[in-house]
Amino acid sequence: DVKVTQSSRYLVKRTGEKVFLECVQDMDHENMFWYRQDPGLGLRLIYFSYDVKMKEKGDIPEGYSVSREKKERFSLILESASTNQTSMYLCASSFPRNPYEQYFGPGTRLTVT
Amino acid sequence: RKEVEQDPGPFNVPEGATVAFNCTYSNSASQSFFWYRQDCRKEPKLLMSVYSSGNEDGRFTAQLNRASQYISLLIRDSKLSDSATYLCVVNRGNQFYFGTGTSLTVIP
Repeated sequence: DVKVTQSSRYLVKRTGEKVFLECVQDMDHENMFWYRQDPGLGLRLIYFSYDVKMKEKGDIPEGYSVSREKKERFSLILESASTNQTSMYLCASSFPRNPYEQYFGPGTRLTVT
Repeated sequence: RKEVEQDPGPFNVPEGATVAFNCTYSNSASQSFFWYRQDCRKEPKLLMSVYSSGNEDGRFTAQLNRASQYISLLIRDSKLSDSATYLCVVNRGNQFYFGTGTSLTVIP
């Protein structure tokens, strides 16, 4: 069974804090993704990575950065958290070839106060 | 224009009913197509891939029409446990594009 784990289920941070969200997958997937999910907006891609040390911006990268030093781990960094970054953050991984389906972690609900 | 568009619903149907969801995608270069299911406060999980020839998995049937850029999901004999949000997902290259989801509630 594919396992994608995220470091926290719930997180509360203050405005201006630096926030690290960690994601680990155990299926040797090359591709990893960070999304945020908000009511009425669905899942929006923040960043993705198709290899170690490689990253690509998604649709909404502003205010975020990522790090992929090892194949199994993909970190999302909020450089200076703001209240509009309160959201559900979902990590996913996949192979870059058929089958293409993504496997998601359980999500981190981040509240910035 | 959004990559993937879905009717958000909600769809409220009685047990045993048949319900159909539709989804359209804007980029004809899209390569792979999926339906995901997301339960309340849970992560999305793959329900089924969608192929041009159509495919069936038990009570679920998915269809793809590339000419019209349209994907559908049919659920027959709805069960209470089918209550969830159904996400239409399209893949192109290394990226996945998600619809905002269609909410289904199956009523006893």
